[in-house]
Amino acid sequence: QQQVKQSPQSLIVQKGGISIINCAYENTAFDYFPWYQQFPGKGPALLIAIRPDVSEKKEGRFTISFNKSAKQFSLHIMDSQPGDSATYFCAASGGSARQLTFGSGTQLTVLP
Amino acid sequence: DSGVTQTPKHLITATGQRVTLRCSPRSGDLSVYWYQQSLDQGLQFLIHYYNGEERAKGNILERFSAQQFPDLHSELNLSSLELGDSALYFCASSVALAGAGYTFGSGTRLTVV
Repeated sequence: QQQVKQSPQSLIVQKGGISIINCAYENTAFDYFPWYQQFPGKGPALLIAIRPDVSEKKEGRFTISFNKSAKQFSLHIMDSQPGDSATYFCAASGGSARQLTFGSGTQLTVLP
Repeated sequence: DSGVTQTPKHLITATGQRVTLRCSPRSGDLSVYWYQQSLDQGLQFLIHYYNGEERAKGNILERFSAQQFPDLHSELNLSSLELGDSALYFCASSVALAGAGYTFGSGTRLTVV
């Protein structure tokens, strides 16, 4: 019930391409879905977040798409840049679970 | 600088020893969360404190304990250390009780030899 499943484990994209990372959750009480970006040697940093009352949220080159009925959400990175190379984590919280439950992470490599 | 301060940054210790990891939350944040990050387990939630009170426990071993002090800083105590405890330990803080808007520190890398 508390799991958040993330795929793919790793992703290689050419500069300028679109990176897509997917997550699925089971707990219908979850009501907050953030994405975090982590560079080596650093802590995860909040990138963008969405609540289930909207199906899409865009901030610059980053877009979250949310499908409540399928219990899935995804991160799209448009015009991917080498500087986007990092590990990306989806997460969820809500209901009795005040803490964030994280997906397993996706290591993104953007080739120049 | 995220505003969340973790010390020390690196720690090397022997099996069976005890260590204390420290976290100072961002100014004004009342919630502190501890996570363990290892290669095979990802980011695993350990424990949550809010304004000095324990609020939730995750996959925290009995050998591990934590507390949050009146000045809101938190300490994670790890005892009887095993090789498998080697990991990155992060704390995150947020102003609210719920999990929105976490800010993570840079972590403490613990190596048990």
